[in-house]
Amino acid sequence: EDQVTQSPEALRLQEGESSSLNCSYTVSGLRGLFWYRQDPGKGPEFLFTLYSAGEEKEKERLKATLTKKESFLHITAPKPEDSATYLCAVRGAAGNKLTFGGGTRVLVKP
Amino acid sequence: IAGITQAPTSQILAAGRRMTLRCTQDMRHNAMYWYRQDLGLGLRLIHYSNTAGTTGKGEVPDGYSVSRANTDDFPLTLASAVPSQTSVYFCASSAAFQGANYGYTFGSGTRLTVV
Repeated sequence: EDQVTQSPEALRLQEGESSSLNCSYTVSGLRGLFWYRQDPGKGPEFLFTLYSAGEEKEKERLKATLTKKESFLHITAPKPEDSATYLCAVRGAAGNKLTFGGGTRVLVKP
Repeated sequence: IAGITQAPTSQILAAGRRMTLRCTQDMRHNAMYWYRQDLGLGLRLIHYSNTAGTTGKGEVPDGYSVSRANTDDFPLTLASAVPSQTSVYFCASSAAFQGANYGYTFGSGTRLTVV
């Protein structure tokens, strides 16, 4: 059974204070690790897909990295608009379904 | 605007009543999914459909049913609602094929309260 654990559950940052979110996973035959952003009252919004260890992807102040057991989402010099819940998910070898972690709630204070 | 439309946005439902949550996509994605999101439990898969005419059970299927008569629509039915089905329900779709890795597109959700 695929499992995803995210830490910390919540993160309070000052504007400009860089930090990292962790996503640890166990999966049979990783076919993709996904990062999503979710704003209150809305559905998750796709950010990145990582496929293999060593891969990195960037978008504005966000950078996602992947190892064989975990992924990190680095937030560099965050702004208040980066406040959201960040979700990690994996797709294993069995089908197209995604297994999600519990998310990390990020609050960036000005 | 291409995407997923869910209806209703929110609903208060008496226990024991039957209800169908609607989901329509206009992206011609072949795979569709229903998740529920609960505080502390994250997103959990209820049912899925890899292609029109087929459905499968996810992690928490009890008390729910789905159908996939065509590519665009994937309704979720609660036959007899119970308070534990109070949740936010998200429909999602993906252009998924064997061996391919695509992310999901999510709808805006339906907030359901069963009283």
